[in-house]
Formats: sequence, structure tokens, C-alpha cells
Amino acid sequence: KAGVTQTPRYLIKTRGQQVTLSCSPISGHRSVSWYQQTPGQGLQFLFEYFSETQRNKGNFPGRFSGRQFSNSRSEMNVSTLELGDSALYLCASSSPGMDTQYFGPGTRLTVL
Amino acid sequence: QQQVKQSPQSLIVQKGGIPIINCAYENTAFDYFPWYQQFPGKGPALLIAIRPDVSEKKEGRFTISFNKSAKQFSLHIMDSQPGDSATYFCAASPGSSNTGKLIFGQGTTLQVKP
Repeated sequence: KAGVTQTPRYLIKTRGQQVTLSCSPISGHRSVSWYQQTPGQGLQFLFEYFSETQRNKGNFPGRFSGRQFSNSRSEMNVSTLELGDSALYLCASSSPGMDTQYFGPGTRLTVL
Repeated sequence: QQQVKQSPQSLIVQKGGIPIINCAYENTAFDYFPWYQQFPGKGPALLIAIRPDVSEKKEGRFTISFNKSAKQFSLHIMDSQPGDSATYFCAASPGSSNTGKLIFGQGTTLQVKP
């Protein structure tokens, strides 16, 4: 099976702009979770989607949002970008009933 | 209560040594404890995972030891190799109502010298 794919792999934006990141889970996986990774804060959970519904949410401001489509693909959106949003954004998928999460390679977002 | 504390922050061992990375948690509702390995420019990859009803689990050169009463768990890498040089993260899942959410430790950067 193909692994989790994320697009784009790299993004450069300026403050105030918005950005949309995409994640395609492993075939058959219906849960998609998003994480932010920074040197200072480490890996932090953003939110999880299952069957097109947000099931869990981390402690991030409302500027961070996401959605999931009927084919389980997911997108996350960050509006009004701030310098501190520069990070590696990781997507992970898991199979129904299983705890194991498989991560994609991430999207490196740089905010200038 | 939602934290997972990981130590040490960095670790250097010689080839063949046994690096040990430790994690501690507070929330007794955590019921799934995976370890991930991450190389630069890559996403984390699952190494091994354990549940609280098991005290030890081995997969190849990787062993998790779990102490439920102390709320601690650790990763041992037997016969470490230079190719094991990476960042290691412990994590915990807060239970069935929070499936899909992992709480990560801060990570340990391991260097294995030839």
C-alpha cells in the first residue's frame, strides 16, 4: 500500500496570508490526524477527523481549521498566518479500530 | 495531566551500546504507548508500541519496558548502530474517547558513534 502523502512538501508564505495543506491517507484508513512540529514545542496535536467529522481538537486558535472529504482525504487551513506558524505540519492516518498512526513526510511551512 | 515527559534530551553512545530513553506520564487514562523514530526531513515512523497490561515488549533490537505503578516507560536499543542515529519520541494516547490523538514527549536526539 502507498503511504500517507502530503502536498505540497514545502511552502513559503508571508504574514497575513492563508494556506491550505493536503493529506491523502493510506487506502482504507478513515481517521486522519494533524500535528504541528516545531523545535520549541515539539509535536503537538491539532485535530483529528473521522468519517468527515472532527472527532478531537487540540489547543490551537480558531485560525487553524480542517476538513475531511468522503474519500478520507483531508485538508487543513491556516488563516492570517503569523511568524510563529512556521513549522512542519504532519498528517497521520489510522485504520478503524486501530491505535497505530502512520505519518506522512510533512509539509514544511515557512512564514516570512 | 496531559503531558508526557521524556529524557534525556540528547544521548551519545558508541556502536554496540544500549541507549535507554525514559518517559513518564501522569494521566492514568492513557492506554497506548508508542515510540516513534524520526530522521531529518522525514515524518515519524512507528518503532514499537505497548499497552499497560504488558510489562515488556521486544521487537528486533528494540525493547519497551513499562512500569504501570510508576507511570513510566522506556525504550532500550540493543546493539545500537550508526544507522539508529535519529530523534526518538515517546507518546501516549488518552484513551478510547480520544482515539487518533497522541500526546508526544519532547524527543531525544540519539547519536551512535562508529
